[in-house]
Amino acid sequence: SQTIHQWPATLVQPVGSPLSLECTVEGTSNPNLYWYRQAAGRGLQLLFYSVGIGQISSEVPQNLSASRPQDRQFILSSKKLLLSDSGFYLCAWSDSGTGANVLTFGAGSRLTVL
Amino acid sequence: QQQVKQSPQSLIVQKGGISIINCAYENTAFDYFPWYQQFPGKGPALLIAIRPDVSEKKEGRFTISFNKSAKQFSLHIMDSQPGDSATYFCAAKRPGSARQLTFGSGTQLTVLP
Repeated sequence: SQTIHQWPATLVQPVGSPLSLECTVEGTSNPNLYWYRQAAGRGLQLLFYSVGIGQISSEVPQNLSASRPQDRQFILSSKKLLLSDSGFYLCAWSDSGTGANVLTFGAGSRLTVL
Repeated sequence: QQQVKQSPQSLIVQKGGISIINCAYENTAFDYFPWYQQFPGKGPALLIAIRPDVSEKKEGRFTISFNKSAKQFSLHIMDSQPGDSATYFCAAKRPGSARQLTFGSGTQLTVLP
């Protein structure tokens, strides 16, 4: 069966520090991968998605970047965190191809920028 | 065109009551409409989904009603339980899009014991 792992679960970082959140998927190959952000009490904002290694699409201009160095690994990064980067970050995957419907989320990473 | 509008923002229901959450969309190209359930501190999980060729889908106490002409769909939770307390998101997907889902803004449901 497929599983998705996301870490760290909780992170407290000072403004201006770097960020790296990691996500891996097991039990599938060539998945579509996604990073979402959920601000407190708000909805789900799609940040990045990837259909393959090195292929990243950005949905919103921001202080963050994403990379996919391996087929089942997706990394969310920042060189210098802002207060507004605080939130709940969710990695998700779906089967590859444009017909896949089911989106499966990880447990999330809660980032607090102080 | 890409928006999915969800209401209410929050909902309080007594145990045993019916919870109803509504969503509306504009893009008639959407062909898949799921609902996700999210407990505090967890990632959302797929609850139930429907395609526009049917008007209703039921799974246990959860039912999706779909009105294609009105471009609206809703989630009904029958015999609501305190364990149903969570945030619910509706979503919609266009065919042929790897970008996946457009989510509603979420409804925080509280079921009182």
